[in-house]
Amino acid sequence: KQEVTQIPAALSVPEGENLVLNCSFTDSAIYNLQWFRQDPGKGLTSLLLIQSSQREQTSGRLNASLDKSSGRSTLYIAASQPGDSATYLCAALTGYSTLTFGKGTMLLVSP
Amino acid sequence: SAVISQKPSRDICQRGTSLTIQCQVDSQVTMMFWYRQQPGQSLTLIATANQGSEATYESGFVIDKFPISRPNLTFSTLTVSNMSPEDSSIYLCSAQDRMNTEAFFGQGTRLTVV
Repeated sequence: KQEVTQIPAALSVPEGENLVLNCSFTDSAIYNLQWFRQDPGKGLTSLLLIQSSQREQTSGRLNASLDKSSGRSTLYIAASQPGDSATYLCAALTGYSTLTFGKGTMLLVSP
Repeated sequence: SAVISQKPSRDICQRGTSLTIQCQVDSQVTMMFWYRQQPGQSLTLIATANQGSEATYESGFVIDKFPISRPNLTFSTLTVSNMSPEDSSIYLCSAQDRMNTEAFFGQGTRLTVV
């Protein structure tokens, strides 16, 4: 059974810092890995999708990498802003569209 | 990308009653799913909503408690039946246009049972 772990559980940084969020998964037989953002009490916004054959994806200040063999993915946020404050979730997609989520990293960026 | 509209966005319900949550996708999608997010927890899959047939439920979730309909390729409903305070959660609808592709989510329904 796939298990997804996210470290750290919470992170507080001053505005402008670059930061890295970590995601690990136990079963490397994934189709893709997806990063989401969730604001308090809200739904999920898809940030980046990395297919199993890819190593990284970039969108604006966000860069996600995937090392399938070691079961790891990282989300890099450059020049963080207060508006980046949210919970970031990673999810690994295995057979028949089954998404397994980590518990998330709660990010607070202070002005 | 798919845009998913979910309603209601929030509700406060009395125990013993039922609530039906609606999920509308702006395009036809192959896969639709319902998740639950309990306070402080991550998402747990309740079931896969199958178009024209019974939903496929995950372990720990049953049709009598969480009946699901999916009459077409753009719409699904989840009913939370005979509610208790333990059902207080965020319920989220998700869609993928094909198997094993990018997943999109609605804005969620925040349910409080009193």
